[in-house]
Amino acid sequence: DSGVTQTPKHLITATGQRVTLRCSPRSGDLSVYWYQQSLDQGLQFLIQYYNGEERAKGNILERFSAQQFPDLHSELNLSSLELGDSALYFCASSLNYREETQYFGPGTRLLVL
Amino acid sequence: AQKVTQAQTEISVVEKEDVTLDCVYETRDTTYYLFWYKQPPSGELVFLIRRNSFDEQNEISGRYSWNFQKSTSSFNFTITASQVVDSAVYFCALSETGYNQGGKLIFGQGTELSVKP
Repeated sequence: DSGVTQTPKHLITATGQRVTLRCSPRSGDLSVYWYQQSLDQGLQFLIQYYNGEERAKGNILERFSAQQFPDLHSELNLSSLELGDSALYFCASSLNYREETQYFGPGTRLLVL
Repeated sequence: AQKVTQAQTEISVVEKEDVTLDCVYETRDTTYYLFWYKQPPSGELVFLIRRNSFDEQNEISGRYSWNFQKSTSSFNFTITASQVVDSAVYFCALSETGYNQGGKLIFGQGTELSVKP
């Protein structure tokens, strides 16, 4: 158990819908990262927050957004969902904003029908 | 541009064989970090090792060992006397330290290791 929690574990929804994925980092970690794992794209970095501020951005779609709250938990919002958004979404956390090991949560498996 | 290549998509071995997973990376940074993660069939990503670019010492942890060679931009992972429980997808990843990079990990495509009894 990495200490990073993600909810829900599974999510099934329809195209056009909006979902929110939640992540709680390990105790003491200030950075939260979101990654998407799909068969065609592999593991891709989406976005990083450090102590409430956006720190780095990857190839995150405009339909996706994220935030980190004062208690350091983070939410990833996915809207206007398409079939291609079906993937495993991981959250990871680390102590600092770089140069630290990232510990991953169990992931949220999203299926868009 | 930064890139991680794991040329071996799938490897199949018989229990007790040694197996080496290859990882080659590209970066312009002089300071960077390399990682290996394991993804067992249950799906979670498990951290195995982190190595910074200034530390080229090989590392051994039980049956696992890592060979970092800056001259060839490689960070290979060897499992000695493989076991069925080693069956998983293994990912090599790179983290750069340049401005605005944050701590993002750039992953290779992964190598699926199957250890048969």
